Amino acid sequence: DQQVKQNSPSLSVQEGRISILNCDYTNSMFDYFLWYKKYPAEGPTFLISISSIKDKNEDGRFTVFLNKSAKHLSLHIVPSQPGDSAVYFCAASAQYGGSQGNLIFGKGTKLSVKP
Amino acid sequence: DTGVSQDPRHKITKRGQNVTFRCDPISEHNRLYWYRQTLGQGPEFLTYFQNEAQLEKSRLLSDRFSAERPKGSFSTLEIQRTEQGDSAMYLCASSGPGPEVATNEKLFFGSGTQLSVL
Repeated sequence: DQQVKQNSPSLSVQEGRISILNCDYTNSMFDYFLWYKKYPAEGPTFLISISSIKDKNEDGRFTVFLNKSAKHLSLHIVPSQPGDSAVYFCAASAQYGGSQGNLIFGKGTKLSVKP
Repeated sequence: DTGVSQDPRHKITKRGQNVTFRCDPISEHNRLYWYRQTLGQGPEFLTYFQNEAQLEKSRLLSDRFSAERPKGSFSTLEIQRTEQGDSAMYLCASSGPGPEVATNEKLFFGSGTQLSVL
């Protein structure tokens, strides 16, 4: 059973607009959440993260929002650029009650930003 | 280049053969992880090392799989008697330093080894 779910396999947005990628989780022990970006034939690259004690974290064009009660997080990219086209993975970990350092990944969302 | 290095990038083998992959982590990192990614899926955890000690193994890691990190630096992942179902991207990641996994620990991934079993 998937503990981290990304229900949208793909998303297409216009350059300059906002991209919103969603992620849901089921394990209430998760206390740290990360977004990774992956280009074809490369390994995942860390993008942004958020601790469960926060509800928002911002880094340049990237903002991650966490709604613990809904067990939902989202990644906002504003403005979107063609170079953002990649597969985005949501990942979660639990320091207690789970495997330390073991990230649980969603299946990914393929983002396409059209010029 | 001071990132995580994996070798080879691609491996094609016949069913029943043994294969071995190598991973060189970021030099100051003392934790090393192996993940596997199949088409349409996210990376799945296989095993991890704290220095030379293998601290956890996933149920995905069958008896045909063995990982080592003999001196706490590079690691090898061996698959014996490969099966077609072993075809996947094998990813290595590292993190640290520090004696324990931090709450906000980030994993840094290599480019992976793409295994194709014919």
